[in-house]
Amino acid sequence: EDQVTQSPEALRLQEGESSSLNCSYTVSGLRGLFWYRQDPGKGPEFLFTLYSAGEEKEKERLKATLTKKESFLHITAPKPEDSATYLCAVQVRAGGTSYGKLTFGQGTILTVHP
Amino acid sequence: DVKVTQSSRYLVKRTGEKVFLECVQDMDHENMFWYRQDPGLGLRLIYFSYDVKMKEKGDIPEGYSVSREKKERFSLILESASTNQTSMYLCASRPGHYSYEQYFGPGTRLTVT
Repeated sequence: EDQVTQSPEALRLQEGESSSLNCSYTVSGLRGLFWYRQDPGKGPEFLFTLYSAGEEKEKERLKATLTKKESFLHITAPKPEDSATYLCAVQVRAGGTSYGKLTFGQGTILTVHP
Repeated sequence: DVKVTQSSRYLVKRTGEKVFLECVQDMDHENMFWYRQDPGLGLRLIYFSYDVKMKEKGDIPEGYSVSREKKERFSLILESASTNQTSMYLCASRPGHYSYEQYFGPGTRLTVT
């Protein structure tokens, strides 16, 4: 069974204190790994797609990396507005007519204090 | 920008009522999805549609049905609402076969009393 595990469940940082969120996955054939940001009471906002080990993507203070077993979301010098839940999801290779569903992790709740 | 809209942000219904949740996307995406999100359970796929009039069951389809008569619109129907269907409902769309990222709407917080 495909599994996605995110750690830690919650992370509290001081403004400017860099850190990383982890997403480890056990899937039978990865087609893509996705990072989303979700603010309370809102829908997830797409951040990055990673397709193969060694790939990196950056956006402002966020940088996502991918290995064969896990992905990291690095947050450099975070600000209070970076506070949100960060979700990781994987798309697996599927046969037949399946157009592929995403399997989500439980998320990491990030709080950045000023 | 991709825009996915949902008909209501908040909805309160009574047990046994038939409930319609509507989702519209404006980017000509082929695939559309309905999820529910609950604390401790994360996002779970209810149904998805990869083309007009096509639908497939997700992980938790029981108690739900869907309709996709037009490409831009995907409806989720709760045939007889129950209290255990109180949840945040999220719609998403995706361009098609070779583009896998999904874009989400703002969500509908449904409370069944």
